[in-house]
Amino acid sequence: DVKVTQSSRYLVKRTGEKVFLECVQDMDHENMFWYRQDPGLGLRLIYFSYDVKMKEKGDIPEGYSVSREKKERFSLILESASTNQTSMYLCASSRRQGYYGYTFGSGTRLTVV
Amino acid sequence: DQQVKQNSPSLSVQEGRISILNCDYTNSMFDYFLWYKKYPAEGPTFLISISSIKDKNEDGRFTVFLNKSAKHLSLHIVPSQPGDSAVYFCAASARGAGSYQLTFGKGTKLSVIP
Repeated sequence: DVKVTQSSRYLVKRTGEKVFLECVQDMDHENMFWYRQDPGLGLRLIYFSYDVKMKEKGDIPEGYSVSREKKERFSLILESASTNQTSMYLCASSRRQGYYGYTFGSGTRLTVV
Repeated sequence: DQQVKQNSPSLSVQEGRISILNCDYTNSMFDYFLWYKKYPAEGPTFLISISSIKDKNEDGRFTVFLNKSAKHLSLHIVPSQPGDSAVYFCAASARGAGSYQLTFGKGTKLSVIP
């Protein structure tokens, strides 16, 4: 069964901490994405990557950075966590061609206190 | 500017009846549409899709209808079951234009009442 695995289901961090959210996929997908989901706002794209070491800003990149050193791993970094970054974070992956949609991870519920 | 709109934030339906979830889009380059289902504390899962060369696609209790002239699609669930209670996201992509990135609507929360 193909999978996108996010390292933590629930995370509590303090304001100002540097936070790493990890995502690994085993489908050899080229594309990987980070979204956050908030009530009433739907899924908002933070960053995406079409290849190793490549990254593109999404709709709400401020306060975040990403790293993709290997094809299967895409990391989201909160440089200095703030309370407005409390959210559900979702990682997804897809093939570059022959498009069949995204496969999502189970999500990380991050609370910043 | 929202290119994919789900104008109903929530919908309540009695068990056994039909659920109809609607989605409108503005980008005429969109040629592939998907519906995702999301339970709380879980990631979205793919439900059903439709290409713009079709106007209907059916998979068991789920049917998606596409009206290209109206730039409108709908998801029908018949009969609705309590386990269908979830948030449903409509998504679109412009594969013909070379973009495989999905644009999502804000979601509709479906509650199926036993």
